[in-house]
Amino acid sequence: GQSLEQPSEVTAVEGAIVQINCTYQTSGFYGLSWYQQHDGGAPTFLSYNALDGLEETGRFSSFLSRSDSYGYLLLQELQMKDSASYFCALGTGFQKLVFGTGTRLLVSP
Amino acid sequence: SAVISQKPSRDICQRGTSLTIQCQVDSQVTMMFWYRQQPGQSLTLIATANQGSEATYESGFVIDKFPISRPNLTFSTLTVSNMSPEDSSIYLCSVDWGSNTGELFFGEGSRLTVL
Repeated sequence: GQSLEQPSEVTAVEGAIVQINCTYQTSGFYGLSWYQQHDGGAPTFLSYNALDGLEETGRFSSFLSRSDSYGYLLLQELQMKDSASYFCALGTGFQKLVFGTGTRLLVSP
Repeated sequence: SAVISQKPSRDICQRGTSLTIQCQVDSQVTMMFWYRQQPGQSLTLIATANQGSEATYESGFVIDKFPISRPNLTFSTLTVSNMSPEDSSIYLCSVDWGSNTGELFFGEGSRLTVL
């Protein structure tokens, strides 16, 4: 099976940069995705890495290293609205995703 | 993208009863999925709803407990049968738009509380 571990909570201040790590165990996967979920809301897609390296989408960047079984989401210029839960997810085939344990990000003024 | 509507958005149910959750998509999609998210937890895939065939269930989930229908390419239902308090969760419908980018679109979820 697959398992993905994330820190349970991260705190940061507005304007700062924060990195949310994701370590995984799997026998094989297609790519690593990242999702944001505000309290009471639906998960929304942020980023995807099919290959090793960095993908940048505005203030958000995501990184994958298959050799290290590791990825991270980097959020820059943090805003209060970035306070949410963030999930990494492995694509395991047939468009199925296995989600990580989730990280709650708290952004303070 | 896709607009995904789920009903009910929330419900309070009695132990031993069953509830059917509906998921309507505004355009045809091949892949529809049902996830469960227990309070404060991550998302767990229950099953893949296949149009014209039986749903494909993940380990730990069975058809008798979570029967699924997929009568066409825009609609699916998930029934939570013989509910217990342990079934109190958010149930989320999601669709794949065929982009092969790891991007799923989720409905707003159905929050069930079982007393």
